[in-house]
Amino acid sequence: GAGVSQSPSNKVTEKGKDVELRCDPISGHTALYWYRQSLGQGLEFLIYFQGNSAPDKSGLPSDRFSAERTGGSVSTLTIQRTQQEDSAVYLCASSLAITAKNIQYFGAGTRLSVL
Amino acid sequence: AQSVTQLGSHVSVSEGALVLLRCNYSSSVPPYLFWYVQYPNQGLQLLLKYTTGATLVKGINGFEAEFKKSETSFHLTKPSAHMSDAAEYFCAVSVSNAGGTSYGKLTFGQGTILTVHP
Repeated sequence: GAGVSQSPSNKVTEKGKDVELRCDPISGHTALYWYRQSLGQGLEFLIYFQGNSAPDKSGLPSDRFSAERTGGSVSTLTIQRTQQEDSAVYLCASSLAITAKNIQYFGAGTRLSVL
Repeated sequence: AQSVTQLGSHVSVSEGALVLLRCNYSSSVPPYLFWYVQYPNQGLQLLLKYTTGATLVKGINGFEAEFKKSETSFHLTKPSAHMSDAAEYFCAVSVSNAGGTSYGKLTFGQGTILTVHP
């Protein structure tokens, strides 16, 4: 596709369940980023990928969060044993390369609601 | 570490009036600065960016911003507001680390919701 695609667009889950959020970046973009947007915290950086590698996972809020990327393309963000504070919009972005000045192109996000 | 402060969580203007959204940053190294816009239920769309060179940057939809190092500011302006400009606007900063490499992490301000009245 022409842009960054995220699925599902909305996800409602029960506390304690696991969820998987998917991101399809723009074709050819080697850099991929995950951010979280919540009312209390604004936009927070979670993790980035250079190719399939995630060198720095310190932005993930807890060890219940994990992410992977395969084939230098699709990425999955997994949240285990979801808590109500995990409710937020999870945004994925991709960029041509891992540099500070490159434009990041964002998907529409996945709105996660934990009941 | 870098940070961004957007003054005013809500700004309201009349159609045709000047739009001014304020952004101040903090960074120990030269920053790269961005303005993004977010319409309801959509992702962020880049309006403009400053990397190096000319400090007055022009973006899409008639927006522009000026990088002022002495004031650590990157305010966003538009001479005449349109109804379609109503959205949330985010200022963001990215830096290269001391080793000259970077992974492009964006640090965002809290956002400013722009309302345009007829």
